[in-house]
Amino acid sequence: SAVISQKPSRDICQRGTSLTIQCQVDSQVTMMFWYRQQPGQSLTLIATANQGSEATYESGFVIDKFPISRPNLTFSTLTVSNMSPEDSSIYLCSVPGTSGGAHEQYFGPGTRLTVT
Amino acid sequence: SQKIEQNSEALNIQEGKTATLTCNYTNYSPAYLQWYRQDPGRGPVFLLLIRENEKEKRKERLKVTFDTTLKQSLFHITASQPADSATYLCALKKVSNYQLIWGAGTKLIIKP
Repeated sequence: SAVISQKPSRDICQRGTSLTIQCQVDSQVTMMFWYRQQPGQSLTLIATANQGSEATYESGFVIDKFPISRPNLTFSTLTVSNMSPEDSSIYLCSVPGTSGGAHEQYFGPGTRLTVT
Repeated sequence: SQKIEQNSEALNIQEGKTATLTCNYTNYSPAYLQWYRQDPGRGPVFLLLIRENEKEKRKERLKVTFDTTLKQSLFHITASQPADSATYLCALKKVSNYQLIWGAGTKLIIKP
């Protein structure tokens, strides 16, 4: 299994500002996923970040609002831009497992964002 | 649309008993069903995966069943312990891509 760290672990931000979340993996991975988890709700996939190509965004999420960087096979960033209180959530990065078929996912500890 | 339902109410179980959590899905034919544990302030942790052609999977005190006719999975923890208290999430996956479709999770509380 992969070991994943995220920075920051939490932050309180003012509306209209931006926050960049970092995700570091202890091994090289092709795919990294960014999720949002609002209280009491299921995980929602924001985008899939592949190294060397543009991120693929899910319906309802756009690059201008959630720009993603993937400079190498162990690191990615997600920026939450022009934040509003509705962006308050936990943001999680994950990577596929390395077992045959790579079906399971391994998660970072999450970044708890509060927008005031 | 695809939908996964887990009991939103917390499940309270006495220590030592078997805890059973349910995951129901509609409009979906998953190749794999997975269960994760999530503790407060932490990311989900992978527990078990069961394939569509498997009826049951076990790992230590954990057992997962998968009924594709009923479109349901049951997750059992036998000899439950207070340390098993957490939120348990189920997730479905098609074989064609890496995306997982997630349930909202059920909070399990094991009382000593």
